[in-house]
Amino acid sequence: AQSVAQPEDQVNVAEGNPLTVKCTYSVSGNPYLFWYVQYPNRGLQFLLKYITGDNLVKGSYGFEAEFNKSQTSFHLKKPSALVSDSALYFCAVSGDNYGQNFVFGPGTRLSVLP
Amino acid sequence: GAGVSQTPSNKVTEKGKYVELRCDPISGHTALYWYRQSLGQGPEFLIYFQGTGAADDSGLPNDRFFAVRPEGSVSTLKIQRTERGDSAVYLCASSSTVGGPQETQYFGPGTRLLVL
Repeated sequence: AQSVAQPEDQVNVAEGNPLTVKCTYSVSGNPYLFWYVQYPNRGLQFLLKYITGDNLVKGSYGFEAEFNKSQTSFHLKKPSALVSDSALYFCAVSGDNYGQNFVFGPGTRLSVLP
Repeated sequence: GAGVSQTPSNKVTEKGKYVELRCDPISGHTALYWYRQSLGQGPEFLIYFQGTGAADDSGLPNDRFFAVRPEGSVSTLKIQRTERGDSAVYLCASSSTVGGPQETQYFGPGTRLLVL
């Protein structure tokens, strides 16, 4: 079965510093990997996805993520964090060998401190 | 509208009552998904529609939960004999399905259900 781990419940970073939110996954076959962000009392907003091709994927709001097949990871990164990036971040995986639904990680709360 | 919409935004009901939650997907999206998000957790899959038919309902927790999409657009999630454990945020998403599981799912704002 597919699964996603986000090993950090909380990540704190100072404004202007680089940020990383970690995600590892388990899926048989080719994975499709997604990052979503959730602000309070709002739905999930799509940030970026990896389907195939270049391992470095660029997305919305200056975020990027690197697919690493050997480490089965898809960490979310941003070179310079903003206070407005503070939110809940979810990694999700789907795959050709499973149903069409996503399997989500438990989420990581990012706090960017001014 | 431009995005996925869900009504109501909040629903408070009493244990044992019946509730209906509505989802209006992005126009032209043929795939529609329901997820449930409990406090402090990631969304969990409930059911997926391709057009009018439920292509995968393996995530429905029991037979009290049922969903329909009669005309291939709007969907209604129905919960019978609600229990306090059903309290959660119910999220709806839609996607264009031409490409399969690699398609991006676009989520609505959710319906927050509270069963007293």
